Amino acid sequence: EVQLVESGGRVVRPGGSLRLSCAASGFTFDDFGMTWVRQSPGKGLEWVSSINWNGVRTTYVGSMKGRFTISRDNAKNSLYLQMTSLTAEDTAFYYCARGETVREGLDYWGQGTLVTVSS
Amino acid sequence: QSLLTQPPSASGTPGQRVTISCSGSSSNIANYYVYWYQRLPGTAPKLLLYRNDQRPSGVSDRFSGSKSGTSASLAISGLRSEDEADYFCATWDDSLSGWVFGGGTKLTVL
Repeated sequence: EVQLVESGGRVVRPGGSLRLSCAASGFTFDDFGMTWVRQSPGKGLEWVSSINWNGVRTTYVGSMKGRFTISRDNAKNSLYLQMTSLTAEDTAFYYCARGETVREGLDYWGQGTLVTVSS
Repeated sequence: QSLLTQPPSASGTPGQRVTISCSGSSSNIANYYVYWYQRLPGTAPKLLLYRNDQRPSGVSDRFSGSKSGTSASLAISGLRSEDEADYFCATWDDSLSGWVFGGGTKLTVL
């Protein structure tokens, strides 16, 4: 059974940094690209970043480029999102999903981890 | 504001057929596959349809999808109480160079 479990969400002060993790199981992790998606309170889903199977290709939504870094450790079946210079607008549930491109889709999602940016 | 527009709500009675629309543009739906998801409260989104109209293994054939031009639709036939959930569409967008999502439609089974 495919499972994606996010962790690392917590309350962080504005300007702070945080690293989210996504533990994958039930499939061959390095066969798939991966994606982070977030949903702020009362708003719709927003694509954050994607990474290909070996980590060579990474893409970001423009507003997060330079502040967020996606990475993966295939030996640990884990996906990461390093977030810096956080603002209140980054408060959201962050979900990891299996898949990167529109051809493969985002077929499995985790339940999300909550990041709250507040002083 | 989402680049993909969905009605915020939809409803139907048990046994009815309900359709949920997803409206986009030439930079997204017109050129790429559309994906549909179901999200029950407190659970991870579940893939319902991929590549416009394909059902993953285990998804009921009561769920069907279509795409035409810059719009796509999800149809649910033989509505059941357990279908009460949020539904959202997703695809790729050229201007964003990334994934875009519909705002979601809350389906109520009356």
